Amino acid sequence: DAGVTQSPTHLIKTRGQHVTLRCSPISGHKSVSWYQQVLGQGPQFIFQYYEKEERGRGNFPDRFSARQFPNYSSELNVNALLLGDSALYLCASSPSGAGGSSYEQYFGPGTRLTVT
Amino acid sequence: AQSVSQHNHHVILSEAASLELGCNYSYGGTVNLFWYVQYPGQHLQLLLKYFSGDPLVKGIKGFEAEFIKSKFSFNLRKPSVQWSDTAEYFCAFDTGRRALTFGSGTRLQVQP
Repeated sequence: DAGVTQSPTHLIKTRGQHVTLRCSPISGHKSVSWYQQVLGQGPQFIFQYYEKEERGRGNFPDRFSARQFPNYSSELNVNALLLGDSALYLCASSPSGAGGSSYEQYFGPGTRLTVT
Repeated sequence: AQSVSQHNHHVILSEAASLELGCNYSYGGTVNLFWYVQYPGQHLQLLLKYFSGDPLVKGIKGFEAEFIKSKFSFNLRKPSVQWSDTAEYFCAFDTGRRALTFGSGTRLQVQP
């Protein structure tokens, strides 16, 4: 079975530009979360989406936005890029349901964003 | 604020040595606890998890972790490490919102 996939793998952007990152969850998973991982730190939560609705948001500015599509894939958008946005952006998906396993998150390989 | 503290940033061990990585979380309510591992060149993988019940949980590759509620701790252990355990290990928790709070990670280097 395919895991979480993300595209592109790497991206170089200039300050002030806009970027869109994409994520496809594991088949059957309806929840998608986004994280930012700066070098030397653990991932930091940005958004969580379930059934196309935003269910959670981390402490990130409004320049960050996301959406989830009917097929449960997701996009993360970042406007007016800053040098400090350079990081690995991770997407994770979770199984549906109410049991403990629904809280497990499975991560993709990430998109490495460099802002110059 | 919610946070995770991983006390060891870089650990170097010889093969067959025992491993214990510390993790303490800061949150007053019920949590789901996780350890993730990132092998060189690979993405984050779930190593083990605790939701409820027996506070001693076993994961893949011989790893185990113990939840001590009174100490807000969830330490990772392995009796005998192998060179292939060289990786970065992240402790994380979730308060039921599917928004993981991660520690800063511990880099484990196992020398053959």
